Amino acid sequence: GENVEQHPSTLSVQEGDSAVIKCTYSDSASNYFPWYKQELGKRPQLIIDIRSNVGEKKDQRIAVTLNKTAKHFSLHITETQPEDSAVYFCAASVAYNQGGKLIFGQGTELSVKP
Amino acid sequence: NAGVTQTPKFQVLKTGQSMTLQCAQDMNHNSMYWYRQDPGMGLRLIYYSASEGTTDKGEVPNGYNVSRLNKREFSLRLESAAPSQTSVYFCASSVGITTQYFGPGTRLTVL
Repeated sequence: GENVEQHPSTLSVQEGDSAVIKCTYSDSASNYFPWYKQELGKRPQLIIDIRSNVGEKKDQRIAVTLNKTAKHFSLHITETQPEDSAVYFCAASVAYNQGGKLIFGQGTELSVKP
Repeated sequence: NAGVTQTPKFQVLKTGQSMTLQCAQDMNHNSMYWYRQDPGMGLRLIYYSASEGTTDKGEVPNGYNVSRLNKREFSLRLESAAPSQTSVYFCASSVGITTQYFGPGTRLTVL
């Protein structure tokens, strides 16, 4: 089955710097890759996702890149702000008409220092 | 719309007791999921239901059972709770493989 590895487990940056979180997956059939943000004591929320027919996707300060050959994808946050501090999870899934299951990475705790 | 709701918010059980965690969504989503979250281990899928009438095992199904009662409701049952099942449990729903919307979570402690 699918296995998703996420690195680093913790990341500390200064406000205004960039942050990069990397994930690798094992199942070459996976075709959907979302990223979730979870603030302390809250539920996870989707921040961006990418499908396998796209190499890069941007949404304001957040971007995700996908390398299908190497089976890895990354989250890039530019101009970080204190409110970006949270735990970020990557996930991978084989999507089909009736749905499918997401396999999550272990999470990265991002701390943005003012 | 309430989105995804879960009950209870907190629960303490003794080893061997049983309980059912309830989840409901009002977004007309076809797919629903149960996850557990433990420190350093991310979100692990217990069971999921791609559509009403179907359920499938996830990564860590042992010790749990589920029921997709109707399109709105998906319950998780612990028949004989063990300390290893101490965790935060999240329910989620989606339209196929798209954005999953999570409930607020249930914090379960098994003594």
